[in-house]
Amino acid sequence: DVKVTQSSRYLVKRTGEKVFLECVQDMDHENMFWYRQDPGLGLRLIYFSYDVKMKEKGDIPEGYSVSREKKERFSLILESASTNQTSMYLCASRTTGGVQPQHFGDGTRLSIL
Amino acid sequence: GEDVEQSLFLSVREGDSSVINCTYTDSSSTYLYWYKQEPGAGLQLLTYIFSNMDMKQDQRLTVLLNKKDKHLSLRIADTQTGDSAIYFCAVSYSSASKIIFGSGTRLSIRP
Repeated sequence: DVKVTQSSRYLVKRTGEKVFLECVQDMDHENMFWYRQDPGLGLRLIYFSYDVKMKEKGDIPEGYSVSREKKERFSLILESASTNQTSMYLCASRTTGGVQPQHFGDGTRLSIL
Repeated sequence: GEDVEQSLFLSVREGDSSVINCTYTDSSSTYLYWYKQEPGAGLQLLTYIFSNMDMKQDQRLTVLLNKKDKHLSLRIADTQTGDSAIYFCAVSYSSASKIIFGSGTRLSIRP
């Protein structure tokens, strides 16, 4: 079974802090994704990466950056956390093409105080 | 561009069938998926259908695809309290790495 592991289930940080959310997958997938999920808004794509050191902006990249130095790891960075970034963050991975679905981690619930 | 739409809420009585609907805009879809999200958890793949199929059945789950109308549905037979969750419809395209998700339908079960 594919395993996508997010480093924290719950995280509390302060406004202005630099925040790192880590995600690791164990299936050698080329593609990795970061979403945020807010009530009534569904999943919104922040960034995705289709290869090591490659990244693409999603629908809401402002205030975020990402890093993919190794194939299995995709990090989401909040450069200067703000209260409107309080949300559930979901990481996913997928191989390219065919029927392969996206596999999700359990999510990180991030609160910015 | 690609868009996937779902209604936000559905309430059904325990033991009845639930039907969750989804529409999408781009007809060049390849695979269509249904995911389930339980409270506090990530999304779990339930089932999928290839775009050249019109129906797929898997135990209590039936997926129907009307490609002409770009409409996908998920039917859950004999709905149980454990089926309470948010259900996401998602669509993939051969030209893209990413999958487009709907906003999710929250299914609640009445006794």
